[in-house]
Amino acid sequence: SQQGEEDPQALSIQEGENATMNCSYKTSINNLQWYRQNSGRGLVHLILIRSNEREKHSGRLRVTLDTSKKSSSLLITASRAADTASYFCARSPINIGYKLSFGAGTTVTVRA
Amino acid sequence: GAGVSQSPRYKVAKRGQDVALRCDPISGHVSLFWYQQALGQGPEFLTYFQNEAQLDKSGLPSDRFFAERPEGSVSTLKIQRTQQEDSAVYLCASNPGGGGQETQYFGPGTRLLVL
Repeated sequence: SQQGEEDPQALSIQEGENATMNCSYKTSINNLQWYRQNSGRGLVHLILIRSNEREKHSGRLRVTLDTSKKSSSLLITASRAADTASYFCARSPINIGYKLSFGAGTTVTVRA
Repeated sequence: GAGVSQSPRYKVAKRGQDVALRCDPISGHVSLFWYQQALGQGPEFLTYFQNEAQLDKSGLPSDRFFAERPEGSVSTLKIQRTQQEDSAVYLCASNPGGGGQETQYFGPGTRLLVL
């Protein structure tokens, strides 16, 4: 992708384990947003991290941002079956911040 | 409060037909966005409105695609002479601000299948 990559493409874990997925980008950003999408549904916003922030938490979610490496990671702790979904990072580019750029996402399957 | 709603949720069209997809943003949201999501891919930006003004339509794939938001609230995405490659989920999003840089709130999408 011209805007960056997400990895892994797919992740299968046991309930209770942690899940980590990564997002890279190529051009400077205002912020980076993480979304979740359940099969056949719309995107649900999880966390927005600004370019001057390094880490944010929301419940069992932790997001980090390393602007020197142009990368971000999303950690889901103590996963549950309900966390099974696709996770997307969306880059908000400098100067055209409204034009979110999504990768292909990471599909997470949590086994009971 | 109510989120972003879209209708219809599913649409099957024969190749060559025109379709119209509707988006009702969250009440009072200034910015509205349309995205296209192909199977197994992330959403791709189509167009951006600030109130009734279409400020960016750079993502519309061809001149068969047209979007409007005449009163600054409800928006319609129209696809003329549909082709099979138009099959995708069309997502609408909105946010309160005029700059559009903050969190975007997405609707459930319209799944379009062109036969």
